[in-house]
Amino acid sequence: GENVEQHPSTLSVQEGDSAVIKCTYSDSASNYFPWYKQELGKRPQLIIDIRSNVGEKKDQRIAVTLNKTAKHFSLHITETQPEDSAVYFCAASNKGWGKLQFGAGTQVVVTP
Amino acid sequence: NAGVMQNPRHLVRRRGQEARLRCSPMKGHSHVYWYRQLPEEGLKFMVYLQKENIIDESGMPKERFSAEFPKEGPSILRIQQVVRGDSAAYFCASSQAGTGTNTEAFFGQGTRLTVV
Repeated sequence: GENVEQHPSTLSVQEGDSAVIKCTYSDSASNYFPWYKQELGKRPQLIIDIRSNVGEKKDQRIAVTLNKTAKHFSLHITETQPEDSAVYFCAASNKGWGKLQFGAGTQVVVTP
Repeated sequence: NAGVMQNPRHLVRRRGQEARLRCSPMKGHSHVYWYRQLPEEGLKFMVYLQKENIIDESGMPKERFSAEFPKEGPSILRIQQVVRGDSAAYFCASSQAGTGTNTEAFFGQGTRLTVV
């Protein structure tokens, strides 16, 4: 089955700096890669996603890149703000949304 | 649109009791997914259901766990004879479709089960 590895497990950045989280996946048939943000005690919220027919997608301060050959995808957050502090999860699926395999998560701490 | 509704938000059960977790999907969504999140871990897929059908239950433990999504009413995740290791946050998500476009899934607030 699909296996998703996520790094780093924790990431501390100064406000205004960029944050990058990287994930690798094992199933070459995976075609959908969402990223979720989860604040303490709250629900995971979809922040951006990318499908395998696209190499990069951007939404304001957030961007995701996908390298199908290397089977890895990354989340980039620019101009970080304290409210970006949360746990971020990458995920992959080879069945549309049907069944997501999540990474272990990255705790991002943005210090003022 | 109230979003995905889960209840209860918190559930405490003694070992050996039954736990019933409910999930009402977003309006217009007919696909429901259950995930389990252990403390400080990622989410693990459990089961995928459409109305009256289990599509994929490959993540469900073989014993004590069952799920349903009846024609009328919410989806139910049922855990019989709970043990301490069942303590976790259980999240439900729903989507408009299972594959292709319109597959974005939205999560509920979760039910935090504590087994004492």
